[in-house]
Amino acid sequence: KQEVTQIPAALSVPEGENLVLNCSFTDSAIYNLQWFRQDPGKGLTSLLLIQSSQREQTSGRLNASLDKSSGRSTLYIAASQPGDSATYLCAVRRDFGNEKLTFGTGTRLTIIP
Amino acid sequence: GAVVSQHPSWVICKSGTSVKIECRSLDFQATTMFWYRQFPKQSLMLMATSNEGSKATYEQGVEKDKFLINHASLTLSTLTVTSAHPEDSSFYICSAIGERGSQAFFGQGTRLTVV
Repeated sequence: KQEVTQIPAALSVPEGENLVLNCSFTDSAIYNLQWFRQDPGKGLTSLLLIQSSQREQTSGRLNASLDKSSGRSTLYIAASQPGDSATYLCAVRRDFGNEKLTFGTGTRLTIIP
Repeated sequence: GAVVSQHPSWVICKSGTSVKIECRSLDFQATTMFWYRQFPKQSLMLMATSNEGSKATYEQGVEKDKFLINHASLTLSTLTVTSAHPEDSSFYICSAIGERGSQAFFGQGTRLTVV
């Protein structure tokens, strides 16, 4: 059974700093990995999607990497802003024919102005 | 990205009543929709997977007679919480996928409070 873990559970950093969020998964046989952002009381916003054949994806100040063999992904946020404060979730999909997502436990990020 | 609309965004109901939550894909046809439940400060727990025109597949431990899912069209799925009790109070989120293998898009969630 796939298990997805995110450490730390919570993180506070001063505005302007670069930061890294971690995601690890126990079964490396994945189809893709997705990073989401969730604001309090809201749904999920997709940030980046990395296919299993890819090593990284970039969107603006965000960069996500994937090391499938070691079961790890990181989300790098450059020049953090207070608006980046949210809970960040990673999720993995097992294969093309199975669209279920297994979610990580989440990291609650607070950017201190 | 594609838009998934969930309605209502919040609802308060009395114990014993039923509540229906709608999930619509606004600009694409959703071959598969998923329903999740999220407790405070916890991650999402998949409840069931629904494909248009067929019965939903429920995850282990989820009561299918209590959480009725209907996926009548390629743009609409509904979750009905029947005979709701306070322990059913939670945040319910749907997601939808268009083509197989494509990414999932999520609704904004529904906060259900049963009093």
